Amino acid sequence: GQNIDQPTEMTATEGAIVQINCTYQTSGFNGLFWYQQHAGEAPTFLSYNVLDGLEEKGRFSSFLSRSKGYSYLLLKELQMKDSASYLCAVMDSNYQLIWGAGTKLIIKP
Amino acid sequence: DGGITQSPKYLFRKEGQNVTLSCEQNLNHDAMYWYRQDPGQGLRLIYYSQIVNDFQKGDIAEGYSVSREKKESFPLTVTSAQKNPTAFYLCASSSQGESQPQHFGDGTRLSIL
Repeated sequence: GQNIDQPTEMTATEGAIVQINCTYQTSGFNGLFWYQQHAGEAPTFLSYNVLDGLEEKGRFSSFLSRSKGYSYLLLKELQMKDSASYLCAVMDSNYQLIWGAGTKLIIKP
Repeated sequence: DGGITQSPKYLFRKEGQNVTLSCEQNLNHDAMYWYRQDPGQGLRLIYYSQIVNDFQKGDIAEGYSVSREKKESFPLTVTSAQKNPTAFYLCASSSQGESQPQHFGDGTRLSIL
């Protein structure tokens, strides 16, 4: 079967750095997406990785290792507004997105 | 502004009743999707449509129906056959191409009376 694993919840301090991991086992791979979702709101697109390596976008970076079935989202200089759930999704061989359950990130002052 | 509009934001269903959730987009996207989100679970695909007048079942299509008569619109009907409809429903759209992200509406929260 297809499976995406992420930690359920993480806590970090304002101003610090946090890494949210995602491991996947899917039938084929056509890219990995990270989304941010505030409670009761729509998910918003953060990043897309299809090749191995690190993609940087301001305070957010995303890393992919296809051979290990592994990705992480790195958030720097954490702000209170970064408190949200972070969703990892993999596009499989049928070009369908398989979603992880999300990681709830709690930022403390 | 371009975007995806879902309505209503909150919806209550009585036993044996069909309800329809609206989804409209003005992004000129070809593909549209309906997902269901339950606590502690990933988004699950109900139906998707890659082109007008065509749609495909997702992983949990039973008890749901859709139509795609216009490019901009992809309404979802939750029928009385769906025995556990209480959930957060999200509509999304995207351009064609595997690297194109899906853009989401604000969701509809459906509850049973």
